[in-house]
Amino acid sequence: GQNIDQPTEMTATEGAIVQINCTYQTSGFNGLFWYQQHAGEAPTFLSYNVLDGLEEKGRFSSFLSRSKGYSYLLLKELQMKDSASYLCAVTAGDYKLSFGAGTTVTVRA
Amino acid sequence: IAGITQAPTSQILAAGRRMTLRCTQDMRHNAMYWYRQDLGLGLRLIHYSNTAGTTGKGEVPDGYSVSRANTDDFPLTLASAVPSQTSVYFCASSTGEDTGELFFGEGSRLTVL
Repeated sequence: GQNIDQPTEMTATEGAIVQINCTYQTSGFNGLFWYQQHAGEAPTFLSYNVLDGLEEKGRFSSFLSRSKGYSYLLLKELQMKDSASYLCAVTAGDYKLSFGAGTTVTVRA
Repeated sequence: IAGITQAPTSQILAAGRRMTLRCTQDMRHNAMYWYRQDLGLGLRLIHYSNTAGTTGKGEVPDGYSVSRANTDDFPLTLASAVPSQTSVYFCASSTGEDTGELFFGEGSRLTVL
């Protein structure tokens, strides 16, 4: 199985930057996903990393280091609407997504 | 509008009763999944189907069964509900390829008393 760790909660100020770390231990790693989930809603796809390095998509960036079993999601220019849970998920040999418990980000004015 | 539809949205159920959560997708995705989401535990895979006619067990399959008679539908059945099955259930689909992102339904909140 997979062991995926991410912080439970983070708080940041509007306009600031927040970095959400995710570490994983898995055999046969294929790729890593980040999802956003607002309270009471379904998760929605944010990013996918399969190779080492940084993937940038607007205000959001995701980084992967396969050798270290480490990823982070970087949220820049935080807005109130970014208050949500952010889920780190990995796929292994069977291509099934395994999720971490999620990081709840609270953005304060 | 293309997507995944789950029903019911919310249900309160007496322990011991049988319950089927329905899931339908119109994106012609090959793969479908059922997850449960519990506070502090995140999303855990119950059952999955890589293609119509096949199903597989996920991380927490006990007490649940699924069927995949066609591409669009993937119902989840609780044969005899227990309080520990109180959770939010999400159905999801993907193209099935390793880079395919998951598309989630809006969830079904189930309370077993």
